[in-house]
Amino acid sequence: SQQGEEDPQALSIQEGENATMNCSYKTSINNLQWYRQNSGRGLVHLILIRSNEREKHSGRLRVTLDTSKKSSSLLITASRAADTASYFCATDPSGSARQLTFGSGTQLTVLP
Amino acid sequence: EPEVTQTPSHQVTQMGQEVILRCVPISNHLYFYWYRQILGQKVEFLVSFYNNEISEKSEIFDDQFSVERPDGSNFTLKIRSTKLEDSAMYFCASMLEFNSNQPQHFGDGTRLSIL
Repeated sequence: SQQGEEDPQALSIQEGENATMNCSYKTSINNLQWYRQNSGRGLVHLILIRSNEREKHSGRLRVTLDTSKKSSSLLITASRAADTASYFCATDPSGSARQLTFGSGTQLTVLP
Repeated sequence: EPEVTQTPSHQVTQMGQEVILRCVPISNHLYFYWYRQILGQKVEFLVSFYNNEISEKSEIFDDQFSVERPDGSNFTLKIRSTKLEDSAMYFCASMLEFNSNQPQHFGDGTRLSIL
């Protein structure tokens, strides 16, 4: 089954605007994590939200988690050109060896 | 800030040859992972490793793959006889502890190109 599907697939905004990306998943989870990947580079961990948390903030990032709907959102406020990257949600399923299941990602482009 | 480092950054290998991808996890981390990302596709889990043995592996991780932590700092992924479809970015990750508040930290990856 597919786990951690993001939408939209691509998002283009102007610098200073907010960017919202959504993620849906299918199984029960320990936590959900968001990662950023610049083109051709590795995955940079942004934020982790546990299954018993509903909202978490880190700098300009805000993540929400709704376990009843099996969905999460990542909000980047006051976006900058340097935020241009692919953003992935990754679910950490319950009862696993903690292997992450990644979605297809949202390609965010922030125009200067 | 401590990082996961991977070498080489790019490996080009003839089909059928053996390849070893190397990773140095963050020094006090206990859990280690390999993932791969075929161009344009999702990041996929390959294998997890703890206490010198495999914890879990995916269907992708067949008999051609093996992992090792030979010296307490390196963590390697070996592909015995590479195929064209093994071409991908391979990411190593490490995690400090086995609790739900710990993220996995990824290296920059090795781009493996099979000719």
